[in-house]
Amino acid sequence: DSGVTQTPKHLITATGQRVTLRCSPRSGDLSVYWYQQSLDQGLQFLIHYYNGEERAKGNILERFSAQQFPDLHSELNLSSLELGDSALYFCASSVTASGSGGELFFGEGSRLTVL
Amino acid sequence: GQQVMQIPQYQHVQEGEDFTTYCNSSTTLSNIQWYKQRPGGHPVFLIQLVKSGEVKKQKRLTFQFGEAKKNSSLHITATQTTDVGTYFCAGLAITTSGTYKYIFGTGTRLKVLA
Repeated sequence: DSGVTQTPKHLITATGQRVTLRCSPRSGDLSVYWYQQSLDQGLQFLIHYYNGEERAKGNILERFSAQQFPDLHSELNLSSLELGDSALYFCASSVTASGSGGELFFGEGSRLTVL
Repeated sequence: GQQVMQIPQYQHVQEGEDFTTYCNSSTTLSNIQWYKQRPGGHPVFLIQLVKSGEVKKQKRLTFQFGEAKKNSSLHITATQTTDVGTYFCAGLAITTSGTYKYIFGTGTRLKVLA
């Protein structure tokens, strides 16, 4: 158990819909990262938050948005869903702001299926 | 954009054989980490390398960071069935805006045949 909690574990929805994925980082970790992993693919970096502020963006689509709340949990919002958005979405947390490195602790992931 | 490639993409070995995966970045990295993802699981941290030319060992695993800090390798000696999974490198790179981000490699999926 990494200490990172992601909900829901599985989600099935239809094209055009909107979903919200939630992540609670490890206690004490200020950084939250979101990654997308399509079937048998690598991990695509989406976005990084540190202590409530956006720190870095990856290839995140405009239909996707995220935020980190004062209690440090984070939400990833995916809207106008397309079939190609079906993937495993991982959240990872770290105690550092990433400039100094530091182990990433991954949650179990949220598997999104868009039909 | 910044990319981290890994080779090979897949590797099947007989139990007891050695295995190596290579990671190459298009840009200089601040550090590099390695993760293992078991089938159906999530990535789990293995190690972090920071210094140019650094070599670290964990039992049967040997990790190297290149002199130019643009490449790395993971070598497993005498593979076991428990080594099955996908191995990812993750490079810490500075972005054009001055922030840092971890760029994960494409991964090498290892299968070990008993």
